[in-house]
Amino acid sequence: DTAVSQTPKYLVTQMGNDKSIKCEQNLGHDTMYWYKQDSKKFLKIMFSYNNKELIINETVPNRFSPKSPDKAHLNLHINSLELGDSAVYFCASSQSGVGNQPQHFGDGTRLSIL
Amino acid sequence: AQTVTQSQPEMSVQEAETVTLSCTYDTSESNYYLFWYKQPPSRQMILVIRQEAYKQQNATENRFSVNFQKAAKSFSLKISDSQLGDTAMYFCAFMISNFGNEKLTFGTGTRLTIIP
Repeated sequence: DTAVSQTPKYLVTQMGNDKSIKCEQNLGHDTMYWYKQDSKKFLKIMFSYNNKELIINETVPNRFSPKSPDKAHLNLHINSLELGDSAVYFCASSQSGVGNQPQHFGDGTRLSIL
Repeated sequence: AQTVTQSQPEMSVQEAETVTLSCTYDTSESNYYLFWYKQPPSRQMILVIRQEAYKQQNATENRFSVNFQKAAKSFSLKISDSQLGDTAMYFCAFMISNFGNEKLTFGTGTRLTIIP
């Protein structure tokens, strides 16, 4: 069983379109994250949710809107896609308050904007 | 704000040799955690090893060990008897122990190539 699963794995779309990436975890964790990995492989936190509540929003453009219907799901919707949005987006999950437990990552979604 | 620095963008070693990847960080926090993640060409993010800042003993996981120097804010990764499967990007990461706000701050990564 996949612990953190993201769909789709690849997403190719035109500039200006709207797209969504879905993430689900079956680990029973209460916190979920979105990270962005740019073309230079640099990973940066975008958002985190704890029990469906937004905790971290790292100055991400408001074209990005995360949604957490329950603590096992965290989706990312992106409006009006721009060339600079091309990246790999990783979902992760962890149990809060247990700091030495690692964050578990999904396999990433490679988003390519034409 | 916390920062993580990996000063070696690329490294390569012969199979079976030992290699050390360096990582330094900057923080004013006293309670935090450090991790090394591996990202092979398959793109997965795989935890290699973790260290709690309050523990003086260096963490080890089979062929992987760390040299944690808290005063120097240094957290290097040593890979012994390197194998071809160790070829990957390696990321050092830092996390504050802060309930519900536990984001990872990553370094820029080191691309490690194991040469047959």
